[in-house]
Amino acid sequence: QKEVEQNSGPLSVPEGAIASLNCTYSDRGSQSFFWYRQYSGKSPELIMFIYSNGDKEDGRFTAQLNKASQYVSLLIRDSQPSDSATYLCAISSGSARQLTFGSGTQLTVLP
Amino acid sequence: SQTIHQWPATLVQPVGSPLSLECTVEGTSNPNLYWYRQAAGRGLQLLFYSVGIGQISSEVPQNLSASRPQDRQFILSSKKLLLSDSGFYLCAWTPDSYNEQFFGPGTRLTVL
Repeated sequence: QKEVEQNSGPLSVPEGAIASLNCTYSDRGSQSFFWYRQYSGKSPELIMFIYSNGDKEDGRFTAQLNKASQYVSLLIRDSQPSDSATYLCAISSGSARQLTFGSGTQLTVLP
Repeated sequence: SQTIHQWPATLVQPVGSPLSLECTVEGTSNPNLYWYRQAAGRGLQLLFYSVGIGQISSEVPQNLSASRPQDRQFILSSKKLLLSDSGFYLCAWTPDSYNEQFFGPGTRLTVL
């Protein structure tokens, strides 16, 4: 049984701060890791993916992967109120690249 | 560019009624297709996936079924809905040979 664990939050940060979202996973064979953002009532939107150990940066977002520790994180720099959403961590596995999702972390950025 | 459509956007159905949700993808060929369900306040649960026409894999036993009659069409069905079938149903696709998965706008189903 593949498991993906996230702190459900809620996580509150002030505008302009760094938001740190964390995720652990149980399947050591997982190769691909994804972060989705989901606004209330909307479908998830892919914001980052990472395959290799280390950091991957895209604008204000940085994904960090440590396969030895089975840990993946997402940093949001200069957080904005528009970043307030639920962030879903997912791992890909299987021949059809099925995703297993965590339950999500609710982030609120306070103006 | 590729787009994914789902309909209807919202649906209210009585217990015991049938269900048919449709998903189509444009601008690509031979995608992997997926159905997920998200219950209120919960994470996404993979229900079915398909790697080609007529090829369906089920992740969770339930009273739902899926079909893929055409390359870019994925249908979720039920003969008799249960209260527990209420939720947000999401179709997703992955381009052939890629890992990134993209979601459609979803169908919000309420079973009364």
